[in-house]
Amino acid sequence: DSGVTQTPKHLITATGQRVTLRCSPRSGDLSVYWYQQSLDQGLQFLIQYYNGEERAKGNILERFSAQQFPDLHSELNLSSLELGDSALYFCASSVEAGGSYEQYFGPGTRLTVT
Amino acid sequence: AQSVSQHNHHVILSEAASLELGCNYSYGGTVNLFWYVQYPGQHLQLLLKYFSGDPLVKGIKGFEAEFIKSKFSFNLRKPSVQWSDTAEYFCAVNARGQGNLIFGKGTKLSVKP
Repeated sequence: DSGVTQTPKHLITATGQRVTLRCSPRSGDLSVYWYQQSLDQGLQFLIQYYNGEERAKGNILERFSAQQFPDLHSELNLSSLELGDSALYFCASSVEAGGSYEQYFGPGTRLTVT
Repeated sequence: AQSVSQHNHHVILSEAASLELGCNYSYGGTVNLFWYVQYPGQHLQLLLKYFSGDPLVKGIKGFEAEFIKSKFSFNLRKPSVQWSDTAEYFCAVNARGQGNLIFGKGTKLSVKP
């Protein structure tokens, strides 16, 4: 158990719908990262938040957005879902933002878009 | 742009065989290097990391990796694998000062008992 929790574990939804994935970082970690793992693209960085502020953006689609709340949990919102959005979405947390500390990964949310 | 290449998609070994998984990265600046493991149905776990200093780093479960700067490589090794090492292994880098990880495509390791 990494200490990072993600809900839900599985999500099945239809094209065009909107979903919210939730992540709670390890106690004391200020930085939250979101990654997408798919068969064709592998593991790709989406976005990073540090202490409530957006810190870095990766290959995140405009249909996707995220935020980090004052209690440091984060949500990833995916809208106008397409079949190609089906993937495993991981959240990771670390103590700081600069990458010099280990990132701890959550168990992931498996999203299936039908 | 940074990129990470893992040369082997799927490696099949017998127990007690030695393991070496290749990883090369592309980036002009200073990087931190990582190997993560994903056991079936589980989350990613850190095996080892290199930030600076001794280029030979030792991690958990008997794994080690060597950073060769001139070759932009960070290969993972284990002298004798066990059936329980069956998993997918990911090499990752981040640029110094940036947190986001760039991952390789992963290498699936199957160890036959």
